Amino acid sequence: EVQLLESGGGLIQPGGSLRLSCEASGFTFSNYAMSWVRQTPGGALEWVSTISDDDDKTYYADSVKGRFTISRDNSKNTLYLHMNSLRVEDTAIFYCAKDHHSGSGNFYWDWWGQGTLVTVSS
Amino acid sequence: DILMTQSPSSVSASVGDRVTITCRASHSLSGWLAWYQQKPGKAPKFLIYAVSRLQTGVPSRFSGSGSGTEFTLTINDLQPEDLATYYCQQSNSFPLTFGPGTKVDIK
Repeated sequence: EVQLLESGGGLIQPGGSLRLSCEASGFTFSNYAMSWVRQTPGGALEWVSTISDDDDKTYYADSVKGRFTISRDNSKNTLYLHMNSLRVEDTAIFYCAKDHHSGSGNFYWDWWGQGTLVTVSS
Repeated sequence: DILMTQSPSSVSASVGDRVTITCRASHSLSGWLAWYQQKPGKAPKFLIYAVSRLQTGVPSRFSGSGSGTEFTLTINDLQPEDLATYYCQQSNSFPLTFGPGTKVDIK
């Protein structure tokens, strides 16, 4: 069965940095685009970033562009999100999510991790 | 950016009822629409994609329809385990966006 296990969340001061990781198993990781989606304390779901299966293309929400970097290591079946210049409004549960369609993807997510909480506060 | 709205924001229904949730997009989605179910304290679950295609394992009482900018999620024969918040999501263009969610309560 597909499993996605996020880690790296925590309490961080504004302006700080964090790196989230997502270890994947149960499918051929290198065949699928992967994404980060976050959920705010108010419950809204927000797409954050997507990376193509071959690491060739990356996409970002405007709210994180220039501050966050998505990457992947297909040899380790692991997805990353490097977050810099964190703001209070970045406080959220961050989910790692697998694309529904292999290859170029269709940007729907059929499997989600359990989420990791990032709290940005002084 | 494509803005997604949902109505109602919440609905309370009895077991066995039919529940209908509407999702509207600010631009045509050309069929690139999905629905997710999120139960309290859990990650979202993938229900429907491409407007009306049921994900494997999802009960047939769930169905999706619509086109252009207006879409519907229907839950027939509502069950207690359907208590959740339901979100629509468009993948027609970046940035990918979600609706604000519809909370379904069981009377």
